[in-house]
Amino acid sequence: KQEVTQIPAALSVPEGENLVLNCSFTDSAIYNLQWFRQDPGKGLTSLLLIQSSQREQTSGRLNASLDKSSGRSTLYIAASQPGDSATYLCAVNGGKLIFGQGTELSVKP
Amino acid sequence: KAGVTQTPRYLIKTRGQQVTLSCSPISGHRSVSWYQQTPGQGLQFLFEYFSETQRNKGNFPGRFSGRQFSNSRSEMNVSTLELGDSALYLCASHPTSGGTDTQYFGPGTRLTVL
Repeated sequence: KQEVTQIPAALSVPEGENLVLNCSFTDSAIYNLQWFRQDPGKGLTSLLLIQSSQREQTSGRLNASLDKSSGRSTLYIAASQPGDSATYLCAVNGGKLIFGQGTELSVKP
Repeated sequence: KAGVTQTPRYLIKTRGQQVTLSCSPISGHRSVSWYQQTPGQGLQFLFEYFSETQRNKGNFPGRFSGRQFSNSRSEMNVSTLELGDSALYLCASHPTSGGTDTQYFGPGTRLTVL
């Protein structure tokens, strides 16, 4: 049974810092891994999708990596801003999305 | 291109009632997946529909059901509501079934069961 774990559960950083969010999963038989952002009370916004054959994807200040063999993914956020404050969720797709519990990020001005 | 829409956005029901939620996917997308989000359990997969057929199902009781219409719009129904069904219900739209596509989520329906 696939299990997805995100560390840390919460993170508070000052504006401008670079930061890394971690995601680990137990079953490497996946099609892809997707990172999402969720603002309080809202739906999910897709940030990055990494196919199982890829190692990383970049979009603006975001970079996500995938190491399928070790069951790990990281989301790197460069030069963080207060508007980045949200909960970040990773989800692995082996036919359906299995989500981690998320990392709640707070970026202080 | 319009995003995923869900109606209604908020719903209050009492125990024992039933409820129907609606999801309209992005134009051209033929797959719709449903998820339940609660503070305790996080996001959990309910089911996926593709071309009016249920393709995958999560571990939820039979009180949770769904369907998809020929225009790809989907509905989910919860019968005999329980307090524990209070949650944010999210649907996701994707072009095909099979797990390789980006899934795009709607804003959700917040269901409160009293």
